[in-house]
Amino acid sequence: GQSLEQPSEVTAVEGAIVQINCTYQTSGFYGLSWYQQHDGGAPTFLSYNALDGLEETGRFSSFLSRSDSYGYLLLQELQMKDSASYFCALYNFNKFYFGSGTKLNVKP
Amino acid sequence: DVKVTQSSRYLVKRTGEKVFLECVQDMDHENMFWYRQDPGLGLRLIYFSYDVKMKEKGDIPEGYSVSREKKERFSLILESASTNQTSMYLCASRAGGSYEQYFGPGTRLTVT
Repeated sequence: GQSLEQPSEVTAVEGAIVQINCTYQTSGFYGLSWYQQHDGGAPTFLSYNALDGLEETGRFSSFLSRSDSYGYLLLQELQMKDSASYFCALYNFNKFYFGSGTKLNVKP
Repeated sequence: DVKVTQSSRYLVKRTGEKVFLECVQDMDHENMFWYRQDPGLGLRLIYFSYDVKMKEKGDIPEGYSVSREKKERFSLILESASTNQTSMYLCASRAGGSYEQYFGPGTRLTVT
């Protein structure tokens, strides 16, 4: 089976850097994804890590360490619009297994 | 622009009713998914389809069935709705060889 753990809530200040962690237990997987979901909105894809290391996309970066069963999403230069829920998801055999999500509150 | 649409944003049904949730994508994607989202539980996969008329169970298929007669359309069926099926239902699609899922706006279903 697959299980993923994320902190339920994180608060940070506008302009700061925040890291959202995701630890997982799995018998095998192809990669780790991150999705953003604003209140009342649909999840939108942010990133995918197939290999260990850091993937950077603008202000967002995602990291994977298979040896540590751990990944994180790094958000830099936080903006108010980054207030949302963030989900990590393992990809394996055509299926995605989601964590319970981290609600990020960005304060002015 | 990529688009996944769902038939209703809000739906209220009575216990025991048969419920149909429709999802349509315009991206010619092979793969389509149905999730339910509940507070504190994230998204849980109900069923997915990798081709027309093909389906596989997800983590929580009990009480649900699906139909995919055309590539662009994937339907979720609640055979006999129960109150514990009150939830947000999200449809998604994904192209073969891609890791990016595109989600619809969701249907908030209330079963009374």
